[in-house]
Order: sequence, then structure tokens, then C-alpha cells
Amino acid sequence: DTGVSQDPRHKITKRGQNVTFRCDPISEHNRLYWYRQTLGQGPEFLTYFQNEAQLEKSRLLSDRFSAERPKGSFSTLEIQRTEQGDSAMYLCASSSGQGNNSPLHFGNGTRLTVT
Amino acid sequence: GQNIDQPTEMTATEGAIVQINCTYQTSGFNGLFWYQQHAGEAPTFLSYNVLDGLEEKGRFSSFLSRSKGYSYLLLKELQMKDSASYLCAVIKAAGNKLTFGGGTRVLVKP
Repeated sequence: DTGVSQDPRHKITKRGQNVTFRCDPISEHNRLYWYRQTLGQGPEFLTYFQNEAQLEKSRLLSDRFSAERPKGSFSTLEIQRTEQGDSAMYLCASSSGQGNNSPLHFGNGTRLTVT
Repeated sequence: GQNIDQPTEMTATEGAIVQINCTYQTSGFNGLFWYQQHAGEAPTFLSYNVLDGLEEKGRFSSFLSRSKGYSYLLLKELQMKDSASYLCAVIKAAGNKLTFGGGTRVLVKP
């Protein structure tokens, strides 16, 4: 098991372009989370899935953001019409969801720079 | 909503002890996590507390007081590699999201 993997590691895009990130969780984990982190801040929750169902979306997630987990395995996060304020590290995490204390395991993130 | 507060930065000397405090205000509290994050890397799980008291794991210990909305992470016998950000996070219900504080950047000096 190689842990949570995210692709790409870095993405530079011009304002107005669309970008899509991929997350592959730990294989037996049924919960998958997306967070955003800016420099010097803690991760901010964006959305999470249990299997293929998207159970919660943050109010931070504008209409330009959409996430999917079509088969309950990998997930994608798409940002349409990117803005400079979208520049951040996008972190994916997964957990087994068994019991109250199953920790989230994070991937190394996708760093997005919007120019 | 939830408020999670922790100091922004702390400095300590190699071999010493550092205590990172975290206070929180939330309804439906169901546990508190501590994570370590080195610059440019993913957060990694350190500890979980749901009941009052101290949980010890080697050089790291975490304490929780639910009635006071307070936790601390204690790092003993500091090593240079402990220089990192330490994130306090609260979970409201089983399987629900973690809400993180802003993180405390710890700098260990020789």
C-alpha cells in the first residue's frame, strides 16, 4: 500500500482556465476528503465522500468547484474559470471510517498556481 | 460554528520540552486530533483524544479536558527533525470532517 496519491503534484495555469486534480485513496478506505491549504494556515475542509456519495460540501466551495467519486474509489476535483485566489495546496485524505478515531491519511497534495 | 485557537509560532532548544496549547469551542464534540506537518509535505497523524486525560506515545503526549475545551501536545527531548507545524483538529461526529486550527510552527534550535 503506497498511501494516498495525488496527481499532479504541481499545476500552473492561467486565470480563466479549467483544472482537474485526481486523488487515489488508500484502497480499503471508504471515506475521501478534499481540503485546501494556504501558506501558514491549517487545512480548510472542502468536501467529503462516503463511497460514491458526496455527503457534505463547504460553503467555501463555489459553483466553480465540483468533485466526483464515480465508483467509490478515486476522486477528481475540478475548478472551472480559475481565479488567482484559487492558488493553494489542494489536499486529499482518506479514512476507513471505522469507529470514531480512524484518522485521516493525507496525500502530498497538488499545488495550484493561478497566474 | 467552530473556533480552534493555537499559537502561531514557538521556539525551543534541542533536548528541551515544548507544550503546544489548543483551545476549541464547538458543539457536538467527538474527539481531537493532532497532526504534524513538515514544510511542503502532507500532515501526518500523531494522536487522538476523546476522553479526558493524557495519551502518551513515546516522546509525544497529548492531553484533553473536554469541560475546558482545551488540549495540549507535549513534545519531549526535542530533536531538530521536530521542527514542523503542529495542527490541532476537532471532529464533531463519527466519520465527519476534521476542522483544523491554524497550526503552530515549532522551530527547534541547537
